[in-house]
Amino acid sequence: GAGVSQSPSNKVTEKGKDVELRCDPISGHTALYWYRQRLGQGLEFLIYFQGNSAPDKSGLPSDRFSAERTGESVSTLTIQRTQQEDSAVYLCASSFHRYNEQYFGPGTRLTVT
Amino acid sequence: QKEVEQNSGPLSVPEGAIASLNCTYSDRGSQSFFWYRQYSGKSPELIMFIYSNGDKEDGRFTAQLNKASQYVSLLIRDSQPSDSATYLCALPWRSGNEKLTFGTGTRLTIIP
Repeated sequence: GAGVSQSPSNKVTEKGKDVELRCDPISGHTALYWYRQRLGQGLEFLIYFQGNSAPDKSGLPSDRFSAERTGESVSTLTIQRTQQEDSAVYLCASSFHRYNEQYFGPGTRLTVT
Repeated sequence: QKEVEQNSGPLSVPEGAIASLNCTYSDRGSQSFFWYRQYSGKSPELIMFIYSNGDKEDGRFTAQLNKASQYVSLLIRDSQPSDSATYLCALPWRSGNEKLTFGTGTRLTIIP
């Protein structure tokens, strides 16, 4: 079946602009996760959704970052007033239920110039 | 001690040999453990998960879990050049927590 999809695959934006990153989880997966991976670094947790509620937002780096999810479907990660340090690959993952194994999408590579 | 520790490598293994990757963790209550493979420039790919003490085999991969010693291993038999990648160990941040904590990964190179 279809895996996790993310769009766009690449995004180049100017410092100070807002960006929206989209994630479509695997159908039927109730849990959705956002991670960030800077070049050559490990995975950094950002936020987790169970359904459309976000029990854990502890990883969001600043109030410039926000995310929402519609039902048990699409999620959008929004970064306002982008900074150069926001440049990274943003990865989305989903799981059937919150304790199950997570499957990752291909990521969105964000470059802030 | 970090929640999840892995040797960053690089680990070089001859083609056809067994590659052994190790991960130690600090939370004794951890119940589920995951191994991901990440090729350069790609997203992590789930290859194994294990919940019970002992071994779990899937093709050329074997995950080994020892909760008393707080380590989990991944063995790759008959290593192939296509196995060259970074291998990430992951487990819930706290017992029963939904957030996964990832190790920094071990870079594996299979030498033809």
